Amino acid sequence: DVKVTQSSRYLVKRTGEKVFLECVQDMDHENMFWYRQDPGLGLRLIYFSYDVKMKEKGDIPEGYSVSREKKERFSLILESASTNQTSMYLCASSSRLDYNEQFFGPGTRLTVL
Amino acid sequence: GQNIDQPTEMTATEGAIVQINCTYQTSGFNGLFWYQQHAGEAPTFLSYNVLDGLEEKGRFSSFLSRSKGYSYLLLKELQMKDSASYLCAVVDSNYQLIWGAGTKLIIKP
Repeated sequence: DVKVTQSSRYLVKRTGEKVFLECVQDMDHENMFWYRQDPGLGLRLIYFSYDVKMKEKGDIPEGYSVSREKKERFSLILESASTNQTSMYLCASSSRLDYNEQFFGPGTRLTVL
Repeated sequence: GQNIDQPTEMTATEGAIVQINCTYQTSGFNGLFWYQQHAGEAPTFLSYNVLDGLEEKGRFSSFLSRSKGYSYLLLKELQMKDSASYLCAVVDSNYQLIWGAGTKLIIKP
């Protein structure tokens, strides 16, 4: 059974803290994605990666960075968390970009106080 | 700009049929996905359309008209477990998914 896992389901942090969200996939997928999901808005792409050590900005990269040191692992970093980064964060992976069926992790609900 | 429109919420009765519409305006088109997302859970794949017409998969069908920028998801013989959000996503010219806000479907007994 294919699987994408995320390090935490729920996380509470304080403003200004550095936050790490980790995602691991066991499907040997080339492509990995980080989204945030907010009520009334569609999934918004933060960053994606199509190969190890490669990263591309999505639609809303400001305030975030990413790291992909190994094929199976894609980390999202909030350098200095702010309250407007309170959201659901979803990681996804896919094998091909021309047929971009994405498999999602369970999500991390991050609250920044 | 790129835009995906779906109704925010729909209500239907158990055993009935419901159609969830999705209209899109995107820079290029390389396919359209429908995903299901139960509250607090990850989205899961339902269907993919790249050519015009109807794709049927059990109780679920998805239709695409590229000339009209329009798709719908048809759910038959509704069950209580179909209560979820349904997300429409278009693959644009850069092969990125552009997501609609989702349609929350409420099933009543």
